Amino acid sequence: DQQVKQNSPSLSVQEGRISILNCDYTNSMFDYFLWYKKYPAEGPTFLISISSIKDKNEDGRFTVFLNKSAKHLSLHIVPSQPGDSAVYFCAAIRSAIIFGKGTRLHILP
Amino acid sequence: DTGVSQDPRHKITKRGQNVTFRCDPISEHNRLYWYRQTLGQGPEFLTYFQNEAQLEKSRLLSDRFSAERPKGSFSTLEIQRTEQGDSAMYLCASSPQGVPNQPQHFGDGTRLSIL
Repeated sequence: DQQVKQNSPSLSVQEGRISILNCDYTNSMFDYFLWYKKYPAEGPTFLISISSIKDKNEDGRFTVFLNKSAKHLSLHIVPSQPGDSAVYFCAAIRSAIIFGKGTRLHILP
Repeated sequence: DTGVSQDPRHKITKRGQNVTFRCDPISEHNRLYWYRQTLGQGPEFLTYFQNEAQLEKSRLLSDRFSAERPKGSFSTLEIQRTEQGDSAMYLCASSPQGVPNQPQHFGDGTRLSIL
């Protein structure tokens, strides 16, 4: 059973618009959530994180929102740029990181 | 380059052979993790070390798998009697101790192909 779920395998967004990537989790004991970005032939790169005691964390073009009651988090990228095209993994921490399956983001020119 | 380094990048071997991968973490990082990633999936946790101590192992880590970190620096992951299902990307990550929930820094992985 998947504890961290990314239900959209892919997403296409026009350059300059907002990209919204979604993630759901099942375990209310997770106390920290992260987003990683992965280019082909490279390892995942840490993007942004949020503690379960917060509902928003912002870093430049990237904002993560956490809705604990819904067990849902989302990553907003605005404005989207061509270099944002990658696979994005949502992850949650207990002792080790539990990853979702990823969402492939395509930024269209 | 001071990132996490993994060697080799690619390994092709016949079923039944043994393989060993190496990971060199970021030098000041106490914690080292191994993950496996198959096509269409996110990385799956295998095991982690704090210094030389192996603190947790996933049920994915069958008895054919063994990991070591003898001096608390680099780590090796060995797979004995490889099977077709072992074909995957094996990722290593490291993080510093002390700061709760510190993000892990990943290497670029070793891609294993079993013929």
